[in-house]
Amino acid sequence: DAGVIQSPRHEVTEMGQEVTLRCKPISGHDYLFWYRQTMMRGLELLIYFNNNVPIDDSGMPEDRFSAKMPNASFSTLKIQPSEPRDSAVYFCASRQGAGGTDTQYFGPGTRLTVL
Amino acid sequence: AQSVTQPDIHITVSEGASLELRCNYSYGATPYLFWYVQSPGQGLQLLLKYFSGDTLVQGIKGFEAEFKRSQSSFNLRKPSVHWSDAAEYFCAVGPTGFQKLVFGTGTRLLVSP
Repeated sequence: DAGVIQSPRHEVTEMGQEVTLRCKPISGHDYLFWYRQTMMRGLELLIYFNNNVPIDDSGMPEDRFSAKMPNASFSTLKIQPSEPRDSAVYFCASRQGAGGTDTQYFGPGTRLTVL
Repeated sequence: AQSVTQPDIHITVSEGASLELRCNYSYGATPYLFWYVQSPGQGLQLLLKYFSGDTLVQGIKGFEAEFKRSQSSFNLRKPSVHWSDAAEYFCAVGPTGFQKLVFGTGTRLLVSP
């Protein structure tokens, strides 16, 4: 299995621009998670989906952030408009099953820099 | 609300020496506990996890962790560190029945020759 795939790996953009991050979960996994990692706040859960449906978006920082999962093999995290404080590494993770024992598998992350 | 504390931001260990990384959690019941490792430029990889049963858990790459309920701790150990173990290590807690993992702030391990 190729694991969780994220693209792009690096993104540099200017303040005010729209940014779209992409994730392909492991085939067969029914949960998908988006995390953000910064030096100041560590690793934070932004949102997660179950069977393509958003379950908990309480971690999404503000309305500029949105996430979709149109099908079981693809999800996007969009920031519009982007701001310098959005600079971070964004991780996607997926897992199979509803039990707390099931492992989350993380992608390599997208490093976002907003100038 | 549950929380995880990793009191050591950085730790330097000589290659071949033993390692212990500390993790304390705050949660009302017995949580699910995890240790992840993040190598530079990489995503997080699961080292080990604890849910119930034997409080000493074996993981990959020679790591182990011990759950101590009385101390609310889940410390990670390795008897002999290799240079390739240099990375950032995250402890996480997942309340039973929920999907969210709460991560600690991480401990960066440096391995000296």
